[in-house]
Parts: sequence; structure tokens; C-alpha cells
Amino acid sequence: EVHLVESGGKLVQPGGSLRLSCAASGITFSTYAMTWVRQAPGKGLEWVAVISGSGGSLYYGDSVRGRFTISRDNSQNTVFLQMNTLRPEDTAVYYCAARAKNHSVDWGQGTLVTVSS
Amino acid sequence: QAVVTQEPSLTVTPGGTVTLTCGSSTGAVTRSHYTSWFQQKPGQAPSTLIFNTNNKDSRTPARFSGSLLGGKAVLTLSRAQPEDEADYYCFLSFDGIRQVFGPGTRVTVL
Repeated sequence: EVHLVESGGKLVQPGGSLRLSCAASGITFSTYAMTWVRQAPGKGLEWVAVISGSGGSLYYGDSVRGRFTISRDNSQNTVFLQMNTLRPEDTAVYYCAARAKNHSVDWGQGTLVTVSS
Repeated sequence: QAVVTQEPSLTVTPGGTVTLTCGSSTGAVTRSHYTSWFQQKPGQAPSTLIFNTNNKDSRTPARFSGSLLGGKAVLTLSRAQPEDEADYYCFLSFDGIRQVFGPGTRVTVL
């Protein structure tokens, strides 16, 4: 069974930085593309970033490109999201999702990031 | 960036059938968009119902099905149950990896 556990969410001031982690188990991690998705309070789901299984392909949503960096460590079965120059509108629950080669998707339970002074 | 469209809200009677659609501003939705459908209930993480257009997750009840019709992706819920009341999001892939969510459809079972 796929198990994804996000961590690292907390209260941070505008302009600050934060690094989220997502530890995976129950899968051959390097064969899965990993995605970060966020959901602001009372809003819909927003795709943030994706990284291919090898880590060689990275793509970002328009609202985070240039400020957020996705990376992965296949030896540790972990994907990261480095978030810089945080804004109040980045406040959200951040989910990681694992996408298999057959395009099936498994989700973590999310971690809350609050950007406020 | 492509814009994905969904109905804002739909209502279905218990035991009835409801159809949710997912369109793209770039044109017809096809199998190459690898459409996924996710269900989210209040306070919970999303869960996958359908992936790759019409494939069911192992936990997806049989009353849910995915398809393509009229240039859109479609999620059909048959024999609706009260526990199906939730938000439903479609998710399209563009160029094989860039991905966009629809705004979600709130389904009420009433």
C-alpha cells in the first residue's frame, strides 16, 4: 500500500522560506513522478510542481515559478519543495501526490503552511 | 496556461444519476490528457476515483465511471448515495507532464 507523509508546514512570515518534505513508502519510488498540490482555505486544488521519476524533468505552476523548487532524493524515497519569498497567498494545505507510469495517483494527508506576520 | 472547466455545482437525488464534465480551453479533451477525477470531502485529503480517462482506483465504488464524450471528459455517478456528497475535481495533463486542475464541482445528494 502506498503511504505518503508530508512534513515541514508551519507559520512563517512574508518573505520567508520553508522546506516541505514528503516521505514515500510502499512504492518503487524512482518510477513515480511526484507532484505538489496546494489548497488555500475554502478554495480548490492548485497544481504547484511536478518532478519526473529520475528528477530530470521539472515543471512549475505560474504562481510559484521562480520562487519554489521541487527536488527529490530517490535514495531516501523523499520529495522536497523549497519555498522562498513566501507570500500570504501561499497560505494553504500542501499535498504531495505520487503518479505511477499508468497515471494512477496516490495522495498524502497534507501539511499546513501559513504565511502571516 | 490552459483553463479547465467544470460545472460549479450539481444536485442529484439518492439513487439517481449525475454527469460531471471537464473541458479544456485548448480544445477537445482526449486520451492524451490522461484525465483523472478526484473526490474530496470536507476536512479530508483528495482521493482518486478515476485515472487515465476511465480506469478506476482499487477503492473506487462501481457506481463511478469515467469516459470521453463530446470533446470533454465525463465522470458519471450512478445510483448516488448520501456519502457521495463531495467536491469533485478533474485533472488534465498537457504535453505529457504539465498538469491543470479544474475548479471543482460540488455535488449535493438531495
